[in-house]
Formats: sequence, C-alpha cells, structure tokens
Amino acid sequence: DAGITQSPRHKVTETGTPVTLRCHQTENHRYMYWYRQDPGHGLRLIHYSYGVKDTDKGEVSDGYSVSRSKTEDFLLTLESATSSQTSVYFCAIGQGSQETQYFGPGTRLLVL
Amino acid sequence: LAKTTQPISMDSYEGQEVNITCSHNNIATNDYITWYQQFPSQGPRFIIQGYKTKVTNEVASLFIPADRKSSTLSLPRVSLSDTAVYYCLVGLYNNNDMRFGAGTRLTVKP
Repeated sequence: DAGITQSPRHKVTETGTPVTLRCHQTENHRYMYWYRQDPGHGLRLIHYSYGVKDTDKGEVSDGYSVSRSKTEDFLLTLESATSSQTSVYFCAIGQGSQETQYFGPGTRLLVL
Repeated sequence: LAKTTQPISMDSYEGQEVNITCSHNNIATNDYITWYQQFPSQGPRFIIQGYKTKVTNEVASLFIPADRKSSTLSLPRVSLSDTAVYYCLVGLYNNNDMRFGAGTRLTVKP
C-alpha cells in the first residue's frame, strides 16, 4: 500500500469547535486530496493540492480550509465544526493529472 | 460538470461475470474514466482506468463506447471477496470538476 496515513483516525467534537485533520505521505506525490464520504453521496472532493502552497477548491469546499506547507503533509481544517460535517474523511495522493489516486484509511469525525 | 450515474446495488453469484455500467453523458474531451473498489472501513482502491475502447488488466476489463457517454466495468468470475462498493470517477484530477459516482454495492452470493 502507498505510504499514506491520516490522523486522528477517530474524533468526537462539539459544534463550534475547530478541528484539524492531518494527512501524511511518504511517497513524494505532487497531488493530495481531501474527500468526505456520506451515505447516498459517495465520495465528494473538498479541496486538493497540486504542490506546496498550491491548493484549490473541490465540489464541497464551504466550511473547510486546507494548507500544505510541505510536500508530505496536507491539513484539513474545520474552523467551526457543524453537525453537517459529521462524516468519514479520506485523504488521497497522486503523482499527477489522470494518475491513480491512493487513499488513506480515513478519519471518522462526529460533531455533536 | 462530469456527473456520473451508477446503479445503487447489484447481486451476483460466485463464478459469474459482473458488468457495472456508469453513465456520464457530459464527459469532456480530456476526461479519463477510472474505477475504484471500496471495502467497509477502508479507503477506495484503484481497479482500472481508460479513455476509450477497451482496457484489460489482471482483475477487470473496462469497455468504453465510441461516444464515451458511458463505461462498463467487467469483473470476470467473481468470488465472495469481490463483495464491495464500486465507484466510477470521471474528470481530470487537477481541477474541481472531478466527480465520483455514488457507487454500486455489489453483493456476491455463494
């Protein structure tokens, strides 16, 4: 499996609190992605990065921000968590456009 | 935007061939089609990718007609371990038009 880890793997938080999820890779891939997965919606892209400090919005970016200060780490931040952000979050990496994406194990987030 | 539509679920029996079709009527010229497999509590895993006609690897085949408005993932002789959710993905990876389908839950029965 590709060297990609996510932390934390599980988190419970309260509405209105900030939350940061971390994705770490050891593959030196250029592209990194954050998805959320909800029943009935499949996987939806939140944000992606195509290089250090280069990021762009995905389909469901409202309420989320990201940062990539070095190749190996891609952070997803919920500035003020809401119950609608309860979901499973997956990070993925890829070498370039149209290349295979490798997914991390996921983070289960529950916002009460 | 490259919206995709897949059947919600399919059932099959061990040893049969399974075909899962994904519709993507507004696929763009530069879009590739990629299929992923996902088991419970795991991230999706790449199966196969194609642009047109037919692609085959050691686990599956992908059929794409000339108009590219749909694609069919073919799994030969499925086993119980092929029970999973299968997603098709259409679009470039480097822009926010990338879209996964909602997934097809395949159940393989003995």
